[in-house]
Amino acid sequence: ELKVEQNPLFLSMQEGKNYTIYCNYSTTSDRLYWYRQDPGKSLESLFVLLSNGAVKQEGRLMASLDTKARLSTLHITAAVHDLSATYFCAGVTGTASKLTFGTGTRLQVTL
Amino acid sequence: KAGVTQTPRYLIKTRGQQVTLSCSPISGHRSVSWYQQTPGQGLQFLFEYFSETQRNKGNFPGRFSGRQFSNSRSEMNVSTLELGDSALYLCASSLDGQANNSPLHFGNGTRLTVT
Repeated sequence: ELKVEQNPLFLSMQEGKNYTIYCNYSTTSDRLYWYRQDPGKSLESLFVLLSNGAVKQEGRLMASLDTKARLSTLHITAAVHDLSATYFCAGVTGTASKLTFGTGTRLQVTL
Repeated sequence: KAGVTQTPRYLIKTRGQQVTLSCSPISGHRSVSWYQQTPGQGLQFLFEYFSETQRNKGNFPGRFSGRQFSNSRSEMNVSTLELGDSALYLCASSLDGQANNSPLHFGNGTRLTVT
């Protein structure tokens, strides 16, 4: 059974700083997803990582996947307040609709 | 292109009652899956429907059931509600649930409160 762990659970960072969120998973995951959730809102897809060594970037966010280490990272560069949200990683085995989510990392960017 | 639509947005029910939640997927999407989100358990998979058939099921009791119609719209039903069923219920759709490059698209959710 796939288990997904994220750390840290909570991250308070200043604007302009860099930081990384870590996502470890227990068994083989066919794909790795990153989602963002604003308070009271739904989940917004950020990245889909398909293979070992995959790296994707969008604005100040960059996600990578190391399938050998069973680790994905979400790197935040020069954080801005608009990035404040909860970030989830999710793995999947089998069909792409049965995602196993991590606990989420609540990111708070302060001025 | 319209996104995933869930109705209602909020529901308040009492213990023992039953509830039906509705989800309309993105046009053309045939796979609909349901997730429960609570502060304690996080996001948990309930079930997935594809072409009117349940294709996957999570570890929830039989009180949780669902169905999918020929137009891909889906409903989820919870019978004999318990306080612990209070949660945000999220519906997600995808083209066929197997597409490697296609993430799930989530609706805004239905917030269910059981008193």
